[in-house]
Amino acid sequence: QVQLQESGPGLVKPSETLSLTCTVSGVSISSYYWSWIRQPPGKGLEWIGYIYYSGSTHYNPSLKSRLTISVDTSKNQFSLKLSSVTAADTAIYYCARELLTHWFDPWGQGTLVTVSS
Amino acid sequence: NFMLTQPHSVSESPGKTVTISCTRSRGSIANNYVQWYQQRPGSSPTTVIYEDNQRPSGVPDRFSGSIDSSSNSASLTISGLKTEDEADYYCQSYDSSIVVFGGGTKLTVL
Repeated sequence: QVQLQESGPGLVKPSETLSLTCTVSGVSISSYYWSWIRQPPGKGLEWIGYIYYSGSTHYNPSLKSRLTISVDTSKNQFSLKLSSVTAADTAIYYCARELLTHWFDPWGQGTLVTVSS
Repeated sequence: NFMLTQPHSVSESPGKTVTISCTRSRGSIANNYVQWYQQRPGSSPTTVIYEDNQRPSGVPDRFSGSIDSSSNSASLTISGLKTEDEADYYCQSYDSSIVVFGGGTKLTVL
């Protein structure tokens, strides 16, 4: 069965870069699209962007200038880097498989990233 | 882009039927598939409906989805409500590969 697991620092200072990795098991990452989604505490879901194993990406326009999503097929992982973070970037960050018709299944368990000095 | 608007909260009694709406602000609801996710407190979202009206394996047939072009909205209907259905529900769609989520609806089963 397909499983995803996020990893990375839980605390990031303002103006620095948030970095997270998602490890995929149960399926080769060289299929499907792979996405990042976030959820500020107590609020709704926001799609961040996706990557295909070939490296092609598609980003949320509101985050595009600060965002890089990359893939490492040898490790079956994909990663997120969000630069110049502020408190507004504090959220639970989820990775998920994005199916061809743009729905998400499964999701990782999520990881809380807090932006604070 | 467009927005998906959901009611902030709905409540209903066990055994009853509830419907949660999701209205698209611009563009036709029928042009792009709509998905619905359930999120229980402290858990990741899980899919209850995909591609407008398809249920993943393991999701009971008490859950159904539909779209209505006349109101440019999608609906999630849950029949025979159980206390375990109490959760937040999010609709989701896309346009030109940009994904949009609704703001979420808190379902209370009391």
